[in-house]
Amino acid sequence: RKEVEQDPGPFNVPEGATVAFNCTYSNSASQSFFWYRQDCRKEPKLLMSVYSSGNEDGRFTAQLNRASQYISLLIRDSKLSDSATYLCVVTSGNQGGKLIFGQGTELSVKP
Amino acid sequence: GAGVSQSPRYKVAKRGQDVALRCDPISGHVSLFWYQQALGQGPEFLTYFQNEAQLDKSGLPSDRFFAERPEGSVSTLKIQRTQQEDSAVYLCASSSLRGNTEAFFGQGTRLTVV
Repeated sequence: RKEVEQDPGPFNVPEGATVAFNCTYSNSASQSFFWYRQDCRKEPKLLMSVYSSGNEDGRFTAQLNRASQYISLLIRDSKLSDSATYLCVVTSGNQGGKLIFGQGTELSVKP
Repeated sequence: GAGVSQSPRYKVAKRGQDVALRCDPISGHVSLFWYQQALGQGPEFLTYFQNEAQLDKSGLPSDRFFAERPEGSVSTLKIQRTQQEDSAVYLCASSSLRGNTEAFFGQGTRLTVV
């Protein structure tokens, strides 16, 4: 079983739709949580950090449930430019801070 | 430059050939990571440096893989006697602290072993 698991998708949604991605992690010692975005043939880039209290950045909302070891990302009012792969990432304090990536969830927003 | 720089961007190697991939992290970044990304998969951890110390190499798939960062800045990932299964994109990332802040990635080196 992979340490970080995501539904690979693809998620095909129309412009303006709301879409949610979920992620689970197996290491209860995980300390930091992120969503990264990766465009086709490009490097991953940080989308947002995820905090226990939940956090919002414009159309994007991230939630963390430590008890269930579950992370989510909600995208409202999807744009064509949101089409990308979204990577769930965790770090563990007892592993030197290395980033552990999920497989990624592919999103395709259609006109 | 302002970002993480990797070279070469593309490398075609004949099976059995040795290759060396270079990473120039952001100046002053303490942490440096190497990842391997196969098509359709997320990046898989290979190894991690804090300054010149290699603190974790648990992800290196075999003893053909070797990484170094002798002066705590530039890092080299070396793959000896390349095999076809080594074909992937090799990503380097750096961060200012021990992974608790944003990690910045280079554009990667796409290695194809023929």
